[in-house]
Amino acid sequence: AQSVTQLDSHVSVSEGTPVLLRCNYSSSYSPSLFWYVQHPNKGLQLLLKYTSAATLVKGINGFEAEFKKSETSFHLTKPSAHMSDAAEYFCVVSPGSGGSYIPTFGRGTSLIVHP
Amino acid sequence: DARVTQTPRHKVTEMGQEVTMRCQPILGHNTVFWYRQTMMQGLELLAYFRNRAPLDDSGMPKDRFSAEMPDATLATLKIQPSEPRDSAVYFCASGPGLAGEVETQYFGPGTRLLVL
Repeated sequence: AQSVTQLDSHVSVSEGTPVLLRCNYSSSYSPSLFWYVQHPNKGLQLLLKYTSAATLVKGINGFEAEFKKSETSFHLTKPSAHMSDAAEYFCVVSPGSGGSYIPTFGRGTSLIVHP
Repeated sequence: DARVTQTPRHKVTEMGQEVTMRCQPILGHNTVFWYRQTMMQGLELLAYFRNRAPLDDSGMPKDRFSAEMPDATLATLKIQPSEPRDSAVYFCASGPGLAGEVETQYFGPGTRLLVL
């Protein structure tokens, strides 16, 4: 069994300030973890993924996430928010490589960026 | 630039009508996913195909929904008859489906369905 919890439904930051979007997971397997971004009226786009290599994962647009097994967390961060970062962000967990693959999506966190 | 395409992008129909949504996965990808997104439920997995075979459709209402892959370049999702509660954005995603590798999904732009 697996589940993912995005701890905040909305996060509001000012442009130029750091971004932190929180994600906790549970999985019976060694999980693979993803962050996807969805801009208004668009499909989802992969930001980054963790697949049991380096625990600090760098993604596109300056985002990164750190896998912390002891805390079962995979929080997404960015040092300085840009107006174009305003979007919905989804944390996703899957059982890992091989076998039947059914991903579990979090409910999403809406990032609001103020000028 | 390879992309997942979905048609139509928007569909308005009346209750009781049949709705067919189409998806063209990225060439060479052998996994296809159908999702439904609503404000209330978020993203729900409806169906999952690997090598054109349905592996999981437990999230799909069986009485009115059906999903097929007539060939490797086309996936379809049908609703018959449609109901107002089916109003949502339906996303298709495809993935390489390589053995031993973690799956990354590539999403289409979605079909926005409104059932009146």
